Amino acid sequence: GNSVTQMEGPVTLSEEAFLTINCTYTATGYPSLFWYVQYPGEGLQLLLKATKADDKGSNKGFEATYRKETTSFHLEKGSVQVSDSAVYFCALAGGGGYNKLIFGAGTRLAVHP
Amino acid sequence: EPEVTQTPSHQVTQMGQEVILRCVPISNHLYFYWYRQILGQKVEFLVSFYNNEISEKSEIFDDQFSVERPDGSNFTLKIRSTKLEDSAMYFCASSEIEKLFFGSGTQLSVL
Repeated sequence: GNSVTQMEGPVTLSEEAFLTINCTYTATGYPSLFWYVQYPGEGLQLLLKATKADDKGSNKGFEATYRKETTSFHLEKGSVQVSDSAVYFCALAGGGGYNKLIFGAGTRLAVHP
Repeated sequence: EPEVTQTPSHQVTQMGQEVILRCVPISNHLYFYWYRQILGQKVEFLVSFYNNEISEKSEIFDDQFSVERPDGSNFTLKIRSTKLEDSAMYFCASSEIEKLFFGSGTQLSVL
């Protein structure tokens, strides 16, 4: 069945460091891929998405490219801020639908000044 | 920005008791969902709801679970007889067509 694997955290970085959070997936067909972020005390928020191979999703300085050949959707940011501290979830939706998201385990990011 | 609201934020109950988790989705949304996250594990899909009926449910969503949209604004998840393993963070979500908006969750603790 479909599944998502993402790197374990926590990831601890200094402000302005480069961020990569790895995400790989297993799916039949052509899933849509997402990154969600959960700030402390808040719900899950959609950060970015990509719906087909080679698409790049981007938002708030974060980027991720849908790589079908490596079944990956790694999240990157060139210069993190303290306010980026949160838990990041990679997710997929099979068949282009959004009803049933399958999430990774989440990666906690802590950014220090 | 409109929000999905969940109440209560924390719920403590005794094993075997019934609990109802409440959600107010965004008003013009058509699709409603419940997900849960057991501590340290993945966020898991439970059920989706559209046009006043369940459109899809996971294996987790057994006969102990039910959902309801009783009054056109609330969306509830009922667990009839809670078990210890039901302890988790429960997230409600709603969508118009594509983008899901999640609430901040209800932490359910079954003792």
